[in-house]
Amino acid sequence: AQSVTQLDSQVPVFEEAPVELRCNYSSSVSVYLFWYVQYPNQGLQLLLKYLSGSTLVKGINGFEAEFNKSQTSFHLRKPSVHISDTAEYFCAVSDYGGATNKLIFGTGTLLAVQP
Amino acid sequence: GAGVSQTPSNKVTEKGKYVELRCDPISGHTALYWYRQSLGQGPEFLIYFQGTGAADDSGLPNDRFFAVRPEGSVSTLKIQRTERGDSAVYLCASSPLGGEGKELFFGSGTQLSVL
Repeated sequence: AQSVTQLDSQVPVFEEAPVELRCNYSSSVSVYLFWYVQYPNQGLQLLLKYLSGSTLVKGINGFEAEFNKSQTSFHLRKPSVHISDTAEYFCAVSDYGGATNKLIFGTGTLLAVQP
Repeated sequence: GAGVSQTPSNKVTEKGKYVELRCDPISGHTALYWYRQSLGQGPEFLIYFQGTGAADDSGLPNDRFFAVRPEGSVSTLKIQRTERGDSAVYLCASSPLGGEGKELFFGSGTQLSVL
């Protein structure tokens, strides 16, 4: 069975500072990895995804994530955050070769950007 | 274009009542997913439709929960004999095709409160 761990439930950070949101996964098979963002009163939207190839993935709004197979991690980073980045961030996995594309989500990390 | 639409946005019901939650996916999207998000948790998979058929219903918690998609577009999640533990945000998502690594497009959810 797959699982996703987001150890930090909340990450406070000042505007223009760098940020890293941590994600670790557990799976007996190869996986695809995703980061979704949920802004207040909005639906989840895809930030970025890793399917194969380069382990450094760039997404929207200046975010990037690095897949580390040996550490089973997929941490999300941004070099300089804005107030508008305040949102809940969810890491998710799905089976490589899985027909349903069913996503298993972590519990989320609230990024709180302060002026 | 229009995104995934979920109605109602809020539903308050009494314990033991029957409820229906509706999802209108993006036009042309053949894959449709239902998730449930409890407070402080990530979205939890319930059921996946490919066209009209439920290809994976392994996430439905018990036989009080049922979902249909009779014409391959709109879907309805039905909950019988609601319990207080059913209170959560119910999310619907769609994608152009099922299968590996596809982006899911989420609606804003239905907040269900069982009193």
